[in-house]
Amino acid sequence: EAGVAQSPRYKIIEKRQSVAFWCNPISGHATLYWYQQILGQGPKLLIQFQNNGVVDDSQLPKDRFSAERLKGVDSTLKIQPAKLEDSAVYLCASSLDRGVNSAFFGQGTRLTVV
Amino acid sequence: AQSVTQLGSHVSVSEGALVLLRCNYSSSVPPYLFWYVQYPNQGLQLLLKYTSAATLVKGINGFEAEFKKSETSFHLTKPSAHMSDAAEYFCAVSDYAGGTSYGKLTFGQGTILTVHP
Repeated sequence: EAGVAQSPRYKIIEKRQSVAFWCNPISGHATLYWYQQILGQGPKLLIQFQNNGVVDDSQLPKDRFSAERLKGVDSTLKIQPAKLEDSAVYLCASSLDRGVNSAFFGQGTRLTVV
Repeated sequence: AQSVTQLGSHVSVSEGALVLLRCNYSSSVPPYLFWYVQYPNQGLQLLLKYTSAATLVKGINGFEAEFKKSETSFHLTKPSAHMSDAAEYFCAVSDYAGGTSYGKLTFGQGTILTVHP
């Protein structure tokens, strides 16, 4: 079974530029998550999708971050414009459905904003 | 709101020694609890999960954890550490309450485990 795929693995941009991350979850997984992991901290949930609908985006900085999950499969997370404090690893995860199904994580995208 | 506290950001043990990583949680509903491991430059991998069945949960790589409601704890243990266990470990809690709820997964700050030869 293929895992959660993310791209790119690494990205370096200047502040005020825009960037986009892509995630392909495990086939058949209805729930998709985007987490932000700042160095030395635990992952923080940015947004949670159930199929193609948003069920939690309470911690998403909506003035600069956006995410979509078209057709309930792939997802993209965008930052525009980026700030220095956005430097982090962005993790995508998916689970079979809501509830207590285990979340499976991709390898993440390491973003450096200079 | 739910939260997770991992006591000790760094734990160091000798190879063959007992591993004990501490996790305490708070949750307004009966919790579902998870331990994940993260190797350098990798995503998180599930070690084990508690979903209200047996309070002692066995996971992969010889790890286990015990749910203690009275202490609001879910500590991770392994009887004998191996060099390959060196990684960062995260405890997480889900507030899934059944029905139409979705279960937000909240992580602790992580504990870096170092294993000395």
